[in-house]
Amino acid sequence: EDKVVQSPLSLVVHEGDTVTLNCSYEVTNFRSLLWYKQEKKAPTFLFMLTSSGIEKKSGRLSSILDKKELFSILNITATQTGDSAVYLCAAHPFNQGGKLIFGQGTELSVKP
Amino acid sequence: NAGVTQTPKFRILKIGQSMTLQCAQDMNHNYMYWYRQDPGMGLKLIYYSVGAGITDKGEVPNGYNVSRSTTEDFPLRLELAAPSQTSVYFCASSYSTSVTGEQYFGPGTRLTVT
Repeated sequence: EDKVVQSPLSLVVHEGDTVTLNCSYEVTNFRSLLWYKQEKKAPTFLFMLTSSGIEKKSGRLSSILDKKELFSILNITATQTGDSAVYLCAAHPFNQGGKLIFGQGTELSVKP
Repeated sequence: NAGVTQTPKFRILKIGQSMTLQCAQDMNHNYMYWYRQDPGMGLKLIYYSVGAGITDKGEVPNGYNVSRSTTEDFPLRLELAAPSQTSVYFCASSYSTSVTGEQYFGPGTRLTVT
């Protein structure tokens, strides 16, 4: 059975800290891995990763994929209170009608 | 473009009642999806559709039905509502040719069954 597991499930940090969120996957016909941010509403897209070792960056957020060890990490540097959200990772397999298999999410709380 | 729209935003049902959650998208996406999200959990796929007239079950289809008569609309039907169906429901859509796999989400419907 395909599955995606995230850790930790929740995290509390202070502004300015750096955090690393983890996502491991076991998915048949793996195509790509996606990260979403969810702030009390619909998830919004952050990154898509298909190749091992190539870092994607957007401002203070960055992410990398390891297809040999089957995991991805999302780093957030110099955290701000606006980074407080649930971060979801999802695996996108080939030939399954565009389905995404989501992990349970990491709830990040950034304190001032 | 309105993107993906869902109605209603909130609903309270009594056990045994039925209702339809509406979802529409104006991006001409072939693929559409229904998810539920329980507190502290990720998204579980209920049903999905790869085009008008074609639907398939996801991880948690029991107690739900869908139809897809047009590209734009993908309603989710709850028959005989149960407390276990209390959840937030998200509809999403994507391009069939998407390389990224990115799905675009609606704002969600919060459903309580009492």
